[in-house]
Amino acid sequence: ILNVEQSPQSLHVQEGDSTNFTCSFPSSNFYALHWYRWETAKSPEALFVMTLNGDEKKKGRISATLNTKEGYSYLYIKGSQPEDSATYLCASPNYGQNFVFGPGTRLSVLP
Amino acid sequence: EAGVAQSPRYKIIEKRQSVAFWCNPISGHATLYWYQQILGQGPKLLIQFQNNGVVDDSQLPKDRFSAERLKGVDSTLKIQPAKLEDSAVYLCASSLGTNTGELFFGEGSRLTVL
Repeated sequence: ILNVEQSPQSLHVQEGDSTNFTCSFPSSNFYALHWYRWETAKSPEALFVMTLNGDEKKKGRISATLNTKEGYSYLYIKGSQPEDSATYLCASPNYGQNFVFGPGTRLSVLP
Repeated sequence: EAGVAQSPRYKIIEKRQSVAFWCNPISGHATLYWYQQILGQGPKLLIQFQNNGVVDDSQLPKDRFSAERLKGVDSTLKIQPAKLEDSAVYLCASSLGTNTGELFFGEGSRLTVL
């Protein structure tokens, strides 16, 4: 089973700050990389599904990049707001089968 | 479109008791997953169904956990007997069927074992 890692484990930023986190995964046998946002007491929701090396995706103030050759993806949040407070999970299919999740980055945005 | 439904949202039981969780995926989604998320860790796959067949249950503790997906629609996950370390959020997710497609999650069932 492949190993997906995320850093940092947790992050506290002030409202208006920009921030970014990292997801690392094995570069061999890559199929896809997903980012999910999980707010407290809600269900995890997909932010991005990325499949191609060099992919850059954007949704509002949140964007992500993908480097499959070196095995990492960055998630950026520009001008963080309190509603961005959540756990951000990345996941990759294990040899194209079931999804393996990283431990998540817990973001707290302080007003 | 209705999302993934799970119940119960919360359950507190004593160790050695049994518990069952129910999941109704999004209509038309062939693939259904049960994940266990222990505090501080990422979700860990317990079992994956494709229609009503098991694709992967390699991480399911089969001595105490069981799951079924009758008629390829809703699913039940059972724990019997429960242990303290089973305290976790049990997430159900579904997808259209492609192994790289987006997962749609329910709100989870939080289990506390005392």
